[in-house]
Amino acid sequence: QSALTQEASVSGTVGQKVTLSCSGNNNNIGTYTVAWYQQVSHGAPKTVMFGNSLPSGIPDRFSGSQSGTTASLTISGLQPEDEAHYYCSTWDYSLSEHGMTVFGGGTKLTVL
Amino acid sequence: EVHLVESGGGLVQPGGSLRLSCAASGFTFATSWMHWVRQRPGQGLEWVARISDDGVSTFYVDSVRGRFTISRDNAKNTLYLQMNSLEVEDTAVFYCAKITVPASSLIDYWGQGTLVSVSS
Repeated sequence: QSALTQEASVSGTVGQKVTLSCSGNNNNIGTYTVAWYQQVSHGAPKTVMFGNSLPSGIPDRFSGSQSGTTASLTISGLQPEDEAHYYCSTWDYSLSEHGMTVFGGGTKLTVL
Repeated sequence: EVHLVESGGGLVQPGGSLRLSCAASGFTFATSWMHWVRQRPGQGLEWVARISDDGVSTFYVDSVRGRFTISRDNAKNTLYLQMNSLEVEDTAVFYCAKITVPASSLIDYWGQGTLVSVSS
């Protein structure tokens, strides 16, 4: 069971706005910045967001936010190429003696 | 342009060993913290290990501590993962990943991955 909870699946139509959520606690999201990773088909993950900062080359239809123990990734103007699995991740200082990086279980985003 | 290229994966019997390598280019490897992350077949991402820029500080997920060793050679711009006492449950694609800023856990670049299969 993942330390961070994500929806198993989300769907939307082309052009729609969708929001993916990531829920944790004060030991992780409540304290540390969350990143979001996109994984298309069986390819390598790609970073699409750190907190609310967009990495170079990522379209500005992606945006992120974080409040309390929840983080969100919003895609405004959904495109077919956005169909992928999305994982949230951050640090957790309570699950291991020296802390550890944790991932959510992933959300499968389907573009209808 | 940042490139991370993993190698060393393959088929190994339970109890065996493998050493993964990750050749890094396009950034200052010697000042970058690094991760290994794995993905079991059909599963999500799982953090495996993290190493500081000077190699002095290492961190592991509990399930691999004592069996896996993360290390680096900054002169060769290469990250390693020595895996001993491999178990069937270690079967996964292993990714090396560059951490954004020192001591953080957030990743900005990922390699393409190398497949490790543990089976008799």
